[in-house]
Amino acid sequence: GQSLEQPSEVTAVEGAIVQINCTYQTSGFYGLSWYQQHDGGAPTFLSYNALDGLEETGRFSSFLSRSDSYGYLLLQELQMKDSASYFCAVNQGGKLIFGQGTELSVKP
Amino acid sequence: NAGVTQTPKFRILKIGQSMTLQCAQDMNHNYMYWYRQDPGMGLKLIYYSVGAGITDKGEVPNGYNVSRSTTEDFPLRLELAAPSQTSVYFCASSQLAEEDTQYFGPGTRLTVL
Repeated sequence: GQSLEQPSEVTAVEGAIVQINCTYQTSGFYGLSWYQQHDGGAPTFLSYNALDGLEETGRFSSFLSRSDSYGYLLLQELQMKDSASYFCAVNQGGKLIFGQGTELSVKP
Repeated sequence: NAGVTQTPKFRILKIGQSMTLQCAQDMNHNYMYWYRQDPGMGLKLIYYSVGAGITDKGEVPNGYNVSRSTTEDFPLRLELAAPSQTSVYFCASSQLAEEDTQYFGPGTRLTVL
């Protein structure tokens, strides 16, 4: 079957850097996406890797290695508003298969 | 643009009742999706559509039905509601399949008692 594994919780302090890992067991996907979801809200798109390597979007970067079945989301200069759940998802022809999410708590 | 809108925001159903969750988008997107999210979990795809008149099953389609008569609307029908269908339901849309961002609606919180 298809599955994506993420840590359930991560805690970091304001201004720090945090990395959220995602390992997957699936094949034949277009790319790896990352979504952010604040408590009770709709998921919002953060980043997408179609190819291996690093994609940078402001304070957020995402990395994919298909040979290692692994990706990560890197958040720099953490702010309190970054406290949220973060989901990795593989894109299979538009269908997203989500991981169970990582809850990030940013402390002052 | 309003983006993706969903109604109702909240609903309580009794076991065995039926209802339709409404979803509309004004971005002229071809692709539309329905997901459910149980507490502390990721989203699971229920059904999706690649255009008007075309729908297909996702990971967890049992107990649900969809239709897509227009580009804008993608309603989700629950027949014979069960407590296992208590969840938050999100509708989403995208322009392309391979790389495009999916835009999510605000969600419908459904409780079946």
